[in-house]
Amino acid sequence: ETGVTQTPRHLVMGMTNKKSLKCEQHLGHNAMYWYKQSAKKPLELMFVYNFKEQTENNSVPSRFSPECPNSSHLFLHLHTLQPEDSALYLCASSQEDSQNTEAFFGQGTRLTVV
Amino acid sequence: GESVGLHLPTLSVQEGDNSIINCAYSNSASDYFIWYKQESGKGPQFIIDIRSNMDKRQGQRVTVLLNKTVKHLSLQIAATQPGDSAVYFCAEKERGYSTLTFGKGTMLLVSP
Repeated sequence: ETGVTQTPRHLVMGMTNKKSLKCEQHLGHNAMYWYKQSAKKPLELMFVYNFKEQTENNSVPSRFSPECPNSSHLFLHLHTLQPEDSALYLCASSQEDSQNTEAFFGQGTRLTVV
Repeated sequence: GESVGLHLPTLSVQEGDNSIINCAYSNSASDYFIWYKQESGKGPQFIIDIRSNMDKRQGQRVTVLLNKTVKHLSLQIAATQPGDSAVYFCAEKERGYSTLTFGKGTMLLVSP
């Protein structure tokens, strides 16, 4: 089973709610990522944390707020989302100073905004 | 298995056949490529990778071919099984960058 754990697996929230997605990696990696997967679209990179420092923010709306308190945990705080934000949110981790830099993914959180 | 517009391309094969899934990339600076498999309700899983200094790499029942001249990557699955049914993504990484860029994916359907 995957070394990257995401909770919750499913989330339904209203547009005025505030919720958080959690990701934990047990692989000792130094980089963590949030991706968004919508129907009929490629995986979209949202945020990258390398050694706990945010290194990329791909023009993501401010209603998505990441937090990386340590190299094993990553959060995505959500507030005042829109229905078009409904998607599968995937967390991944990798070891950026190694020869093989494949990303390991969690199972994802299926988010529905109503 | 190329992406066409917004529709996810689908490859349908019979159990026991060999499958070939294709991927085109556009960044000539990419030097690392990965194939991922994503089953329904799960996150993508690593299958096999290849670096740009190679043109072929084999795993268990899978082979990845890289043609840098035409920027083309393919995944060959031998003796395809129903458990191979999933969406397959290629991903590329550019030299000097840490993040992967994913293709749109191809759905593989294996019938018994």
